[in-house]
Amino acid sequence: AQSVTQPDIHITVSEGASLELRCNYSYGATPYLFWYVQSPGQGLQLLLKYFSGDTLVQGIKGFEAEFKRSQSSFNLRKPSVHWSDAAEYFCAVAPYSSASKIIFGSGTRLSIRP
Amino acid sequence: DAGVIQSPRHEVTEMGQEVTLRCKPISGHNSLFWYRQTMMRGLELLIYFNNNVPIDDSGMPEDRFSAKMPNASFSTLKIQPSEPRDSAVYFCASIIGTDNGGNQPQHFGDGTRLSIL
Repeated sequence: AQSVTQPDIHITVSEGASLELRCNYSYGATPYLFWYVQSPGQGLQLLLKYFSGDTLVQGIKGFEAEFKRSQSSFNLRKPSVHWSDAAEYFCAVAPYSSASKIIFGSGTRLSIRP
Repeated sequence: DAGVIQSPRHEVTEMGQEVTLRCKPISGHNSLFWYRQTMMRGLELLIYFNNNVPIDDSGMPEDRFSAKMPNASFSTLKIQPSEPRDSAVYFCASIIGTDNGGNQPQHFGDGTRLSIL
């Protein structure tokens, strides 16, 4: 069965430090991959997406993610976090055939230490 | 451009009452999704529509839940009668085009936080 795993429930990093949020997926073929961010009281906002081509994708707000087929991973990174990055981050996968079959991970809550 | 608009933002009501949540998708988007988010179960897809037609409602928890999309710019999710376990944040999302490709990112509204007492 298809699945998305975000192994870290909660991460705290210092402002200005680098960040990496982990995401692993289980899928029959290479799916479409997404990272969404959810700020308190708001809906999910797309950070970036991977469909094909260059395995390092750039997103909004200075985020990037790297697709590693051999590891079935799509980790999210940012070189230097800002206090405004505190939020919940969701990794998601969708098959080629249907956007409605998108599967969201359980989320990683990011806290920023001043 | 306006994003997905949901109303109300917050709803508090007593169990047994009817609850109606509303969603206006982004203009030009042909598919609309209703999700429920809870701490225990995360994000769950309840139902989605293509061109105003319900396609898959297998995620609707029970008959107390119903959803309609009378036109391309409006959808409702109704719970009747409501129960405390329905308390959650309900999100609406839309995508451009129909649900024929997973490469279309979903655009989410800010959600309705529902509390059933």
